[in-house]
Amino acid sequence: EVQLVESGGGLVQPGGSLRLSCAASGFTFSSYWMSWVRQAPGKGLEWVANIKQDGSEKYYVDSVKGRFTISRDNAKNSLYLQMNSLRAEDTAVYYCARGGAARDYYGMDVWGQGTTVTVSS
Amino acid sequence: QSVLTQPPSASGTPGQRVTISCSGSSSNIGSNYVYWYQQLPGTAPKLLIYRNNQRPSGVPDRFSGSKSGTSASLAISGLRSEDEADYYCAAWDDSLSGHVFGTGTKVTVL
Repeated sequence: EVQLVESGGGLVQPGGSLRLSCAASGFTFSSYWMSWVRQAPGKGLEWVANIKQDGSEKYYVDSVKGRFTISRDNAKNSLYLQMNSLRAEDTAVYYCARGGAARDYYGMDVWGQGTTVTVSS
Repeated sequence: QSVLTQPPSASGTPGQRVTISCSGSSSNIGSNYVYWYQQLPGTAPKLLIYRNNQRPSGVPDRFSGSKSGTSASLAISGLRSEDEADYYCAAWDDSLSGHVFGTGTKVTVL
């Protein structure tokens, strides 16, 4: 079964850091672009970042540039999101998704269940 | 950065056809594929349409997508109660070098 499972969410103070992980199974992880998408409470979806199969290309939404870093470990079938200098507006459910390249034919076709990040003092 | 505009809500009775619009620009919809995602209450989003008008396996043919210029639309025919959900369009934006999602449309089955 194709599956993505996020972990690492929690409560963190403003200015703090958190590292999210996404474990992939059931498909050849190293063959796909991967993405992070977030959803603030009661709000819509916001794309956060994506990364190429070999990690050589990464793109970020402007609001997280310089604070968040997307990475992957193909040997461990895992995707990561290192989040530093967290702000209240980063509070959201963070989803890991398969796909999401610029000219992606298939779109983000597999999603995890999400992990919740709350930034509050 | 929601640069794709959708109506906040749409509704219909069972069996009716509902259409959701998505308005963008030349840097996103006008030059890239459009995707549609369905998000049922309390669940993760699900890909509904890819490459403007293609359905992944398992998505009923009641759902159809189209694109013209800098706009796109999702049509749901034969509306069913289980179609009550939030629907989002999305596309890559060349100017932003990132994906953009629509503002989202909540579909209610009356």
